[in-house]
Amino acid sequence: SAVISQKPSRDICQRGTSLTIQCQVDSQVTMMFWYRQQPGQSLTLIATANQGSEATYESGFVIDKFPISRPNLTFSTLTVSNMSPEDSSIYLCSATGAVVTDTQYFGPGTRLTVL
Amino acid sequence: GDSVTQMEGPVTLSEEAFLTINCTYTATGYPSLFWYVQYPGEGLQLLLKATKADDKGSNKGFEATYRKETTSFHLEKGSVQVSDSAVYFCALSSGGYNKLIFGAGTRLAVHP
Repeated sequence: SAVISQKPSRDICQRGTSLTIQCQVDSQVTMMFWYRQQPGQSLTLIATANQGSEATYESGFVIDKFPISRPNLTFSTLTVSNMSPEDSSIYLCSATGAVVTDTQYFGPGTRLTVL
Repeated sequence: GDSVTQMEGPVTLSEEAFLTINCTYTATGYPSLFWYVQYPGEGLQLLLKATKADDKGSNKGFEATYRKETTSFHLEKGSVQVSDSAVYFCALSSGGYNKLIFGAGTRLAVHP
């Protein structure tokens, strides 16, 4: 299984600012994903982070609000732009392994509070 | 579209009680099915999975069987412990890019 770390683990931000979350995997992986978990809710997929090309966004999520980069096979970033209190959530990165590709492993999440 | 429905929580049990958390799904094709667990303040951990009909996933005393005829993947444990208190998510892997679709989650509280 892949071991995934995220930075920061939590942050408190002001309305109108942006935050970039980093996701690092300990081995090369095929797919990387970003999810949002709103308070007391389930997880919703934001986008699939594609290595070397633009991310694939799910309905309701746009690149201007959630720009994503994936410069190599083990690293990705998610930026939450022009934040509002409604963006307060846990943001989780996940990845599928290079060998077992049907299973996603998750990072510990970044808990974001927007004031 | 594909979807996952879980029994609503919270589920409150005494230690050593039997646990069942129901999960049913709707999907085109033949998805893989997963149970993830989220302990307080932590990310998601894979608990178990099954990739085809009649497969049984098991881990840490938890079990779930992929039932195609009833489109179900119920989670069971014979004797829960206080340390099992967490939120449990049922999920299916949809489409060629292994996109995960999650149920709403079921909170389990186990009391001594």
